[in-house]
Amino acid sequence: AQKVTQAQTEISVVEKEDVTLDCVYETRDTTYYLFWYKQPPSGELVFLIRRNSFDEQNEISGRYSWNFQKSTSSFNFTITASQVVDSAVYFCALLSGNTPLVFGKGTRLSVIA
Amino acid sequence: EPEVTQTPSHQVTQMGQEVILRCVPISNHLYFYWYRQILGQKVEFLVSFYNNEISEKSEIFDDQFSVERPDGSNFTLKIRSTKLEDSAMYFCATEHETYEQYFGPGTRLTVT
Repeated sequence: AQKVTQAQTEISVVEKEDVTLDCVYETRDTTYYLFWYKQPPSGELVFLIRRNSFDEQNEISGRYSWNFQKSTSSFNFTITASQVVDSAVYFCALLSGNTPLVFGKGTRLSVIA
Repeated sequence: EPEVTQTPSHQVTQMGQEVILRCVPISNHLYFYWYRQILGQKVEFLVSFYNNEISEKSEIFDDQFSVERPDGSNFTLKIRSTKLEDSAMYFCATEHETYEQYFGPGTRLTVT
């Protein structure tokens, strides 16, 4: 069965620190997609990234970077030089086979000024 | 930038009442979804809809729930007889063919 584990329930960092949010997934499918979504206090879900299982290249977008490692079934998300506006709940999600999007429980990030 | 919209943003209803949550998808998107998030918990899949029919549904999506796209634009979720445990944030998501689901801002449903 598909499963996404975000072991970190809450993280607090001081502004300008780097922070990594962990995501471990389980699937038996060889083709799958991994996602990160941001849920700010206002409640909406903001799409951040999609990565397919055949593309293990790390990606950087501004202060955000993602490290996809199939060997450890992980898709970790790093925010460099965190800002208060990064405070949100971050969800990792998995789409594989014919099953719908499966979300992890989320990690609540608090960035303190 | 096109976005998914949902109405209302907040709905308060009494137990046993019917509610209809509405979503306007991004115009060229073909796949539509409803998800639910109980306060403080993870986002859970309810149903997917493609080509005017349900393609998949979860065990949460029981006979009290229904979806339709009545006019080719709006995508609605109806709960026939609301229960207290239906209180949650309901998200609509739409997708073209890129496996990227874009979520609406959500409707917060409060059942009293």
